[in-house]
Amino acid sequence: SQTIHQWPATLVQPVGSPLSLECTVEGTSNPNLYWYRQAAGRGLQLLFYSVGIGQISSEVPQNLSASRPQDRQFILSSKKLLLSDSGFYLCARRGLAWDEQFFGPGTRLTVL
Amino acid sequence: GQQVMQIPQYQHVQEGEDFTTYCNSSTTLSNIQWYKQRPGGHPVFLIQLVKSGEVKKQKRLTFQFGEAKKNSSLHITATQTTDVGTYFCARMYSGGGADGLTFGKGTHLIIQP
Repeated sequence: SQTIHQWPATLVQPVGSPLSLECTVEGTSNPNLYWYRQAAGRGLQLLFYSVGIGQISSEVPQNLSASRPQDRQFILSSKKLLLSDSGFYLCARRGLAWDEQFFGPGTRLTVL
Repeated sequence: GQQVMQIPQYQHVQEGEDFTTYCNSSTTLSNIQWYKQRPGGHPVFLIQLVKSGEVKKQKRLTFQFGEAKKNSSLHITATQTTDVGTYFCARMYSGGGADGLTFGKGTHLIIQP
């Protein structure tokens, strides 16, 4: 199984509040993991990727951070949310055959 | 340099008509991937093209990779309501050891019965 779990499914948060989104994956150990954000009209944007525990690379500077405390756990965080952080956050893992991305169900975040 | 441009942004078709979306890059692509995202869902991998001039078919879907490996297309023959969604092309993110994909903005396919 290569199932990806994300929670929560939806979230409404006030501006300035903290954020923690969790992603866990099943199956192959030491997967490459990714966080993408899909905002209206902007397609999918790669935010972070991780090749292993404690290893995080950021692709877009912003007020978000990511951590990988366990092999199959990837967390997206923020200390203070902005209105522009609203969007659909997708966790993904790298496929083994084609380097494709397998996406989780996503978290819809609305910042008010 | 890393972007892939996708057109059209929206496409309305009558059920049974054909549909095509195009993906273009200013630089040569090592490969191109295509994804489908149903309304309210997450993107799902469809296919990867690697070779210059490659053509692959999945039932009513035909994927092409340009000879210069700078463009690609997805063509759907005789659309059905189940084809509704957004189709994305994506390229491997490269440079500085980066990993992951750069996606086009997608083409939203709207089908009128």
